[in-house]
Amino acid sequence: EADIYQTPRYLVIGTGKKITLECSQTMGHDKMYWYQQDPGMELHLIHYSYGVNSTEKGDLSSESTVSRIRTEHFPLTLESARPSHTSQYLCASSEFGAGHTEAFFGQGTRLTVV
Amino acid sequence: QKEVEQNSGPLSVPEGAIASLNCTYSDRGSQSFFWYRQYSGKSPELIMFIYSNGDKEDGRFTAQLNKASQYVSLLIRDSQPSDSATYLCAVSKAAGNKLTFGGGTRVLVKP
Repeated sequence: EADIYQTPRYLVIGTGKKITLECSQTMGHDKMYWYQQDPGMELHLIHYSYGVNSTEKGDLSSESTVSRIRTEHFPLTLESARPSHTSQYLCASSEFGAGHTEAFFGQGTRLTVV
Repeated sequence: QKEVEQNSGPLSVPEGAIASLNCTYSDRGSQSFFWYRQYSGKSPELIMFIYSNGDKEDGRFTAQLNKASQYVSLLIRDSQPSDSATYLCAVSKAAGNKLTFGGGTRVLVKP
């Protein structure tokens, strides 16, 4: 079983609040990702990182920001939450380099902004 | 055109039958191909990966890759109700590159 953890699992928060979704992995993976997925809909890549101090925006524009100060930690922050941010956020990690690069997923954070 | 395309389904399959799922991709430089399974409300989990043209078998699952035609497929033999899930195709240009996911195919296995 992959060792990648997300907290909190569920979060209900009011509009305008600042929130940080935590993601940590203990596999030493260089690459980490944040995906956004609405119920029954496809995964959208919103941020990814190739390593410490490396972050890139994904295919779907997002008002969130990320940081990668430590290899194992890749938090996602929303400065001012809005109802349109209600979704499931999935964190994943993978190795960097030759060979297969399958991504391992955390259990997700289901965010509801009221 | 989406980079990775899948029929959204649902694909309804009788128990014990073969489920056949297809995925096409647009970037000829793609090198690594993955099939994930996602149960409702859960995170995706890797079923198998394939890099070379041809077939790769793992238990009841067989992945097939045809780079010339830019498609990858997944066969599920002896389908079980527990196979009912959404199956996601993912593609990577090269080792270490980001994965791009298709929209997924929902499979329903009826007893």
